[in-house]
Amino acid sequence: EAQVTQNPRYLITVTGKKLTVTCSQNMNHEYMSWYRQDPGLGLRQIYYSMNVEATDKGDVPEGYKVSRKEKRNFPLILESPSPNQTSLYFCASSSLAGGSREQFFGPGTRLTVL
Amino acid sequence: ELKVEQNPLFLSMQEGKNYTIYCNYSTTSDRLYWYRQDPGKSLESLFVLLSNGAVKQEGRLMASLDTKARLSTLHITAAVHDLSATYFCAVDAPEGVNQFYFGTGTSLTVIP
Repeated sequence: EAQVTQNPRYLITVTGKKLTVTCSQNMNHEYMSWYRQDPGLGLRQIYYSMNVEATDKGDVPEGYKVSRKEKRNFPLILESPSPNQTSLYFCASSSLAGGSREQFFGPGTRLTVL
Repeated sequence: ELKVEQNPLFLSMQEGKNYTIYCNYSTTSDRLYWYRQDPGKSLESLFVLLSNGAVKQEGRLMASLDTKARLSTLHITAAVHDLSATYFCAVDAPEGVNQFYFGTGTSLTVIP
């Protein structure tokens, strides 16, 4: 089954404790992206990647890191989480072939930073 | 920065009625997407609109794109309770910029 998976689905942590949220897709998509969703703000792009070893900042990259060492994986790293990073996070992927960049989303990770 | 505005933000409508959600964006783009999100769930792709004048229909939902006006609409015909969800439009940035921009979403509640 074609899918985007994220782990963990729920995470409660404390300020300053480094964490990683994993994202994996099995559709051989070139494009992968991380978003955060906050009430009243819609989805905002954190980082995206056009392919392996090609990452770039979205609109809200501060406090986050990413890497793309393999095509299927795109982990999101919070080196020193703060309470304002409490949010719902989505990973998404899309193909860059053809005219559409329709994105397929993972199930989401609800992060609480105390 | 590309801005995407949706309105209304909240919509409560009776079953059987028609309504339209609007999505305006601030820069040139030929690619617009509509997504649906149920409470506590992820986003599900509804429509992909890739050119000016594109119209797509699925059941009681119809989406259209006017790139000259930088406007997309999502029209709901004879609403049913199952359509209750949050709807997002998203715009693919112009060529050379590889970001996506989402609207703030329209929370739709269909009342029996």
